[in-house]
Amino acid sequence: GESVGLHLPTLSVQEGDNSIINCAYSNSASDYFIWYKQESGKGPQFIIDIRSNMDKRQGQRVTVLLNKTVKHLSLQIAATQPGDSAVYFCAERSYGNNRLAFGKGNQVVVIP
Amino acid sequence: GAVVSQHPSWVICKSGTSVKIECRSLDFQATTMFWYRQFPKQSLMLMATSNEGSKATYEQGVEKDKFLINHASLTLSTLTVTSAHPEDSSFYICSATGLAGDDEDEQFFGPGTRLTVL
Repeated sequence: GESVGLHLPTLSVQEGDNSIINCAYSNSASDYFIWYKQESGKGPQFIIDIRSNMDKRQGQRVTVLLNKTVKHLSLQIAATQPGDSAVYFCAERSYGNNRLAFGKGNQVVVIP
Repeated sequence: GAVVSQHPSWVICKSGTSVKIECRSLDFQATTMFWYRQFPKQSLMLMATSNEGSKATYEQGVEKDKFLINHASLTLSTLTVTSAHPEDSSFYICSATGLAGDDEDEQFFGPGTRLTVL
């Protein structure tokens, strides 16, 4: 059922500044990672992905960094805009398995 | 990009009734569809994986007799919440994979269905 009083980690960032969102994963067999953005009342929206043979990938205003040694993933958003306000989830998948496992989520609030 | 739709976008029902949610891939054939449930301020939890023409595979702890999944065609999967109770109130999201775009493994998500059971 629903959990009362649950709080998402929240990052408040000034418009125009850079944002960094972090994600730790536990499955060392995971070889594919994705960042999703979810706005209130909507489904997840793909932002960027990275495979385990890479440690960095860049998109438009976004960069994903992967550190397999410490099982850590981060998403950097450059020049954060009000439209970037949302909850961000990392997700992982292991080779041969088409099921995604989602992380806990981070709320980003952009202050105009 | 590939589009996945869900219907209805929200539904309110009385306790004990059954509710059907549809998930459609609009511009590609979805060989596999996934159903997730999301409670407020929580992450997406995978409920089941369904492949067209075969029985769904349910995650541990998800009752298959309560959450009936049908994937009768390559563009449609349905989730029926049977004998719904207030604790089933949640945001249900589907996703689909198939031969769409450059990555045949990418999951395309629907907009979600908000279920409220009174």
